[in-house]
Amino acid sequence: AQKITQTQPGMFVQEKEAVTLDCTYDTSDQSYGLFWYKQPSSGEMIFLIYQGSYDEQNATEGRYSLNFQKARKSANLVISASQLGDSAMYFCAMREGPWGNKLVFGAGTILRVKS
Amino acid sequence: GAGVSQTPSNKVTEKGKYVELRCDPISGHTALYWYRQSLGQGPEFLIYFQGTGAADDSGLPNDRFFAVRPEGSVSTLKIQRTERGDSAVYLCASSLDRQRGTQYFGPGTRLLVL
Repeated sequence: AQKITQTQPGMFVQEKEAVTLDCTYDTSDQSYGLFWYKQPSSGEMIFLIYQGSYDEQNATEGRYSLNFQKARKSANLVISASQLGDSAMYFCAMREGPWGNKLVFGAGTILRVKS
Repeated sequence: GAGVSQTPSNKVTEKGKYVELRCDPISGHTALYWYRQSLGQGPEFLIYFQGTGAADDSGLPNDRFFAVRPEGSVSTLKIQRTERGDSAVYLCASSLDRQRGTQYFGPGTRLLVL
């Protein structure tokens, strides 16, 4: 079974609009961490935001926020005020267990911002 | 400060040859990870080092793949008898914050096996 599911292969958004990228996950652990990374065409994976399973508040980092719905096992990324430079591939990833080491990644969503 | 660096950035080799890929983690990061990313897919875990020892090598696909980190800093991923299916981007990451486990990635090495 897929641990991380990103159902949107590609998304378009108009510049300055907000966009939501979906991510659902599957785990039996009570303690886990969820991450979003951005991968521009240059190839480097850039860390965006983190949500711990016990965090009560949704994580926010500048224009990025994570809509964490634990009961639904979803961790959607919201990008506000999209910019042309946001065009990239976005990956959702999960670290299982309190001291888990490896990240399990989804297949990614490619986002294109239109001017 | 300097991020994770990887060399070479690109490597072209022939089937059957041996290759080494190098990763220099962020200074002070004790944890180091290798991932492989095939075209159009998310990265897949290969191996994790805590200090000098390989704490988890469950992602290595077979015994042609081996990695070392002799002094707890720089790591080398070694691939013997390369096959065309080994062609991928090999990503290295390091982390300091053990509670969150946030991993910071290098730019990757693009390996092409002809």
